[in-house]
Amino acid sequence: AQTVTQSQPEMSVQEAETVTLSCTYDTSESDYYLFWYKQPPSRQMILVIRQEAYKQQNATENRFSVNFQKAAKSFSLKISDSQLGDAAMYFCAYSWKMAGANSKLTFGKGITLSVRP
Amino acid sequence: EAGVAQSPRYKIIEKRQSVAFWCNPISGHATLYWYQQILGQGPKLLIQFQNNGVVDDSQLPKDRFSAERLKGVDSTLKIQPAKLEDSAVYLCASSPEHTFGSGTRLTVV
Repeated sequence: AQTVTQSQPEMSVQEAETVTLSCTYDTSESDYYLFWYKQPPSRQMILVIRQEAYKQQNATENRFSVNFQKAAKSFSLKISDSQLGDAAMYFCAYSWKMAGANSKLTFGKGITLSVRP
Repeated sequence: EAGVAQSPRYKIIEKRQSVAFWCNPISGHATLYWYQQILGQGPKLLIQFQNNGVVDDSQLPKDRFSAERLKGVDSTLKIQPAKLEDSAVYLCASSPEHTFGSGTRLTVV
């Protein structure tokens, strides 16, 4: 079974600074997706960034980037130039890449990120 | 493009009562998921549909939970009878992009 571990329950960052959120996972599959989702108090899960396991290049979306270490099964999220609106719960998630079908997400426990003005 | 619609937003019921949640996925999305998110935890899959067929319901407590997607479009999740530990946010999502709705917060008292 696949597992996703987020060991830091909370983190805090100063506005405009950089913060890194950690995630490790375990799987026996070779082809899969990894995700970071943001969940504000509105409860809706918002996709921040996605990484495909077969792609060696780390994914980047504006101020958000990942450090994907496949051998170490590590997938961290870096937020640059943190903004007040970045404050939320962040979840790391895994999905097996099934041929011709959509696969469920397996989530970590999440981390609460606060941003200090 | 309209997102995933869920209702109600909030529901408070007493234990042993029944409750139902509704989800309308993004048009054309064949795969629909129901997740349960207990406070302080990540969402956990309850059931996955492909069109109107069940793909995975291994984590669904079938003695009290049921779900259907009769016409392969919208879906209903029911709990009967509810227990205190069912208090959670129930999230619906649809694929291929795994887009989530805003969820229903259930409180069982």
